[in-house]
Amino acid sequence: KAGVTQTPRYLIKTRGQQVTLSCSPISGHRSVSWYQQTPGQGLQFLFEYFSETQRNKGNFPGRFSGRQFSNSRSEMNVSTLELGDSALYLCASRRDITNEKLFFGSGTQLSVL
Amino acid sequence: GDSVTQMEGPVTLSEEAFLTINCTYTATGYPSLFWYVQYPGEGLQLLLKATKADDKGSNKGFEATYRKETTSFHLEKGSVQVSDSAVYFCALSKEGGGADGLTFGKGTHLIIQP
Repeated sequence: KAGVTQTPRYLIKTRGQQVTLSCSPISGHRSVSWYQQTPGQGLQFLFEYFSETQRNKGNFPGRFSGRQFSNSRSEMNVSTLELGDSALYLCASRRDITNEKLFFGSGTQLSVL
Repeated sequence: GDSVTQMEGPVTLSEEAFLTINCTYTATGYPSLFWYVQYPGEGLQLLLKATKADDKGSNKGFEATYRKETTSFHLEKGSVQVSDSAVYFCALSKEGGGADGLTFGKGTHLIIQP
């Protein structure tokens, strides 16, 4: 059974640009969450999608957005990139919102120059 | 708000040594508690979990007990191996399906020397 797949693995962007990251959950999993990991702030919750609906959002500006498709795949978008957005972005899936076990992908390393 | 505090390290031990990584939390109600492990270049993997007070989670020789009275969930292993070298994260999930996501500690970098 394939794990959580995130693409691309690495991204380099410049300030002011926008970026879209992709996440394919484990087959049968309907919930997808996104986390930002930085050396300074650690792991922080961005948002979770379930059945194409955003359940909740962490404390991030509106430049961070996401969506989920009918096949449960999810994308995350960051607009008007800032240097501080450089981070490892991790996607995690779970079967449904009653199941607490998360399965994480290997992440997308975003560098903003 | 909710928070998790853990020693950041790095923690360096010799092979076969006893391991303890401390974790304490602040949260209302009865959160679920987790330990995740991250190997270099990989995402996080769930190591163990406990969902109520006095529960003990265990996996691969690692153990942690949910202590409500001390709001702690310390990770222990009796005899570590070089392959245990990784970053370990303590985390909590609020009651109600974790709609607010997991709250993580900063992570503890563990280095095991042969």
